[in-house]
Amino acid sequence: AQSVTQPDIHITVSEGASLELRCNYSYGATPYLFWYVQSPGQGLQLLLKYFSGDTLVQGIKGFEAEFKRSQSSFNLRKPSVHWSDAAEYFCAVGAGGGSYIPTFGRGTSLIVHP
Amino acid sequence: DVKVTQSSRYLVKRTGEKVFLECVQDMDHENMFWYRQDPGLGLRLIYFSYDVKMKEKGDIPEGYSVSREKKERFSLILESASTNQTSMYLCASRGRQGSQPQHFGDGTRLSIL
Repeated sequence: AQSVTQPDIHITVSEGASLELRCNYSYGATPYLFWYVQSPGQGLQLLLKYFSGDTLVQGIKGFEAEFKRSQSSFNLRKPSVHWSDAAEYFCAVGAGGGSYIPTFGRGTSLIVHP
Repeated sequence: DVKVTQSSRYLVKRTGEKVFLECVQDMDHENMFWYRQDPGLGLRLIYFSYDVKMKEKGDIPEGYSVSREKKERFSLILESASTNQTSMYLCASRGRQGSQPQHFGDGTRLSIL
C-alpha cells in the first residue's frame, strides 16, 4: 500500500530565509506527486505536481520541488519565504488509474517570523 | 478555472439531526471526494464517487452516507449527527486520470452541539 510521510509537523522560519519541507513516499512504481497549500480557513490549492520528465518541478508562488527516486522523496523548497507563505502544506501521491484515490501526508504547518 | 463550491462555510447543528453538506463542481469531473480534516490527523477520506450513482467507502465512512444523482453534485449526509463529527469537511473533484490534481472547495466548518 502507498503511504506518504511528512516528518515535520511544524516548521518555523524567518521571513527572507530559505525553506525546505520534506516528503517521503512509499509506492511500488513511479508515482504522481503533488504539493498542496492550505491557507487558514481555506481549501487546498495545488502548488505543483510531478509525473514524468524533469525531476525539478516549478510551481506557483515561487516554490519548486525535486523528485529523487533513490530517496523516495519529493521535497518542497523556496529560496526566500514571505510572511504570506504561512500555511499548512500537504504532500500527496497518486497513480494512473482513473479511480485511484490519492494518499495525503498529515501536513506540515509553516510559521513565518518577521 | 475549476470551481468547487461547498454550500456552507460554517454550520451549527444539534446532536441527532440529519445534516446535508452539498458540493458542486463546474468542470464535468468524473471523480468527487469528501474528506474530513482534524488537527494532527490530516485529511481523512470519508467517501469517494467515480461516476453518477457510484460510490466507494473511504477510511472513515461510519456515520456518513453520500449521494451523487448528478455528475456535478456530491452530497455528504450525516444520518444522525453526533458531537464527534464536529470538524472541517472538504470536498474535492478530479478529472478521469490519476495524474490530474484534485480541486478543493473552501470547506465547511461543522459544529455539532
